[in-house]
Amino acid sequence: IAGITQAPTSQILAAGRRMTLRCTQDMRHNAMYWYRQDLGLGLRLIHYSNTAGTTGKGEVPDGYSVSRANTDDFPLTLASAVPSQTSVYFCASRTDRGTDTQYFGPGTRLTVL
Amino acid sequence: QKEVEQDPGPLSVPEGAIVSLNCTYSNSAFQYFMWYRQYSRKGPELLMYTYSSGNKEDGRFTAQVDKSSKYISLFIRDSQPSDSATYLCAMSSSVNAGGTSYGKLTFGQGTILTVHP
Repeated sequence: IAGITQAPTSQILAAGRRMTLRCTQDMRHNAMYWYRQDLGLGLRLIHYSNTAGTTGKGEVPDGYSVSRANTDDFPLTLASAVPSQTSVYFCASRTDRGTDTQYFGPGTRLTVL
Repeated sequence: QKEVEQDPGPLSVPEGAIVSLNCTYSNSAFQYFMWYRQYSRKGPELLMYTYSSGNKEDGRFTAQVDKSSKYISLFIRDSQPSDSATYLCAMSSSVNAGGTSYGKLTFGQGTILTVHP
């Protein structure tokens, strides 16, 4: 593979359930990001990681947590899902070449009922 | 006021037309300027990036940055039906938060483009 993979592709989840969205990259990029995309609100940053072992909060972190045990994987966890977390979630990584460009995965479409 | 403003369209043009997509911004600290293309139910795909004012060309695509006016554009020549997608502008900056910094992209709302045969 080349790039970023995300799993699952889509998921319907009952409110209150716990859910982990998976993200794996094979580009060995240090920085990784999680975004949600909602109609009318665009792409909003949830959490970021500058390098393995470190994470930070973005614009809309409430209700989400992340971990970065190694360079390749950056899972996003919803501890207790709520309907307002219905969205499309994108994982991204940033090149280390100094151009600030980010590369996105195919997304996970999540519906919380 | 949003840091990045992009006309959401939608924009509908005939095949072969020249398309102009635009964004304005207010933050002088933005460093790199990017254009992404997003097909329906897919992730954003990087098209082009630029750093300085001026033009950058890649095939049928030209990215233009005017830092003095805080204005960027993407031109698509000889547009094709396969160009039908949402186009997102994005701009990078470094954010200091809680003693650490991270690279941030600020996105426009996206312009929906349809090129009809």
